[in-house]
Amino acid sequence: AQKVTQAQTEISVVEKEDVTLDCVYETRDTTYYLFWYKQPPSGELVFLIRRNSFDEQNEISGRYSWNFQKSTSSFNFTITASQVVDSAVYFCALSEAGSGNTGKLIFGQGTTLQVKP
Amino acid sequence: EPEVTQTPSHQVTQMGQEVILRCVPISNHLYFYWYRQILGQKVEFLVSFYNNEISEKSEIFDDQFSVERPDGSNFTLKIRSTKLEDSAMYFCASSLGVTAGGSVATQYFGPGTRLLVL
Repeated sequence: AQKVTQAQTEISVVEKEDVTLDCVYETRDTTYYLFWYKQPPSGELVFLIRRNSFDEQNEISGRYSWNFQKSTSSFNFTITASQVVDSAVYFCALSEAGSGNTGKLIFGQGTTLQVKP
Repeated sequence: EPEVTQTPSHQVTQMGQEVILRCVPISNHLYFYWYRQILGQKVEFLVSFYNNEISEKSEIFDDQFSVERPDGSNFTLKIRSTKLEDSAMYFCASSLGVTAGGSVATQYFGPGTRLLVL
């Protein structure tokens, strides 16, 4: 069965602090993709990153970085020097890529990040 | 930059009424999806659609739901007889899809339709 767990329901930090959002996933497939989406207060879902199961290299994009560890089935997201505009709900999602899969996304429960000035 | 659009942005309806939510996916995308998000909860998969037919549906997608691609651009979700528990944000998404080689493309989401059933 496929499942995504984001254990942190809410995180509150002060601007300029670093913050890590945790994501743990379960899947039986050997080929799968992991995603992070941001949902700002306006409600839309904004794509942040896509990573396949064969690529365990960490990725950095500006203040954002992602740490993928297959050994612990985790795909954690770190925001460095957080800003008020980072305040949002962040969703981790899994898509299995085996035969017959349709690309559907299984989302975690989301982590609400509040960055205070 | 191409984007997924959805109309209406908000819809209020009476229980038992039919609603149609509309989406225009990104033009060269092949796979289309509907998801819903009940207020304060996670985003849940409803249905995927490829090559003019449903490719997968969740347990939520029961007989009161249907999807259609009536022309080359629109993708619709119909709820035949709305219930109070159908109140949610409904997101449409599209992607280049899933290849036989096991590559899953990124899904891009529309801004959502907030449905309120009274």
